[in-house]
Amino acid sequence: GAGVSQSPSNKVTEKGKDVELRCDPISGHTALYWYRQRLGQGLEFLIYFQGNSAPDKSGLPSDRFSAERTGESVSTLTIQRTQQEDSAVYLCASSTRTGVNTEAFFGQGTRLTVV
Amino acid sequence: AQRVTQPEKLLSVFKGAPVELKCNYSYSGSPELFWYVQYSRQRLQLLLRHISRESIKGFTADLNKGETSFHLKKPFAQEEDSAMYYCALSTGRRALTFGSGTRLQVQP
Repeated sequence: GAGVSQSPSNKVTEKGKDVELRCDPISGHTALYWYRQRLGQGLEFLIYFQGNSAPDKSGLPSDRFSAERTGESVSTLTIQRTQQEDSAVYLCASSTRTGVNTEAFFGQGTRLTVV
Repeated sequence: AQRVTQPEKLLSVFKGAPVELKCNYSYSGSPELFWYVQYSRQRLQLLLRHISRESIKGFTADLNKGETSFHLKKPFAQEEDSAMYYCALSTGRRALTFGSGTRLQVQP
């Protein structure tokens, strides 16, 4: 596709339910990142995948959060037993590699609202 | 640990006035610095990177290693510059680290 695609664009869920967010990176991009953006705040790093290396999960806020990526394709971010503080915009980005002077291309985000 | 600080949440200026968005970073090595911008209802996108030493839409940013700063400047602000601006740091080993962002409002 022309850019990074995320689905759904909006998700309203009840507290305690599980949600799955999807990210389609730009074809050929080996690096993929997930960020969270709470209302009025900056981008909070969650997890990043680089090729076949073990993902950097250091930003995941709790064990309710997990993410998968198969090869260099689609990634899914799963939040189990959602809480109201999980409400945020979840942004996905991809790049050709993690390294010097690498531009990250962002999706439009998934706005998650936990009620 | 790497960290990016943007001290101003909101910067409001009049059209034609100079603009400086502040960014300070902490990292012991040699980082790569970027400015990303998010216009209303658009996705986050790269504005400029320090290694290119370029001017984009009239904006420039100079890396000052002594002061560990990468402030974004424009001599004459335009209304279309109104947006959220994020400073970001890359060390080559990890994902981009972003600052908390500064909202620039350019009033007519």
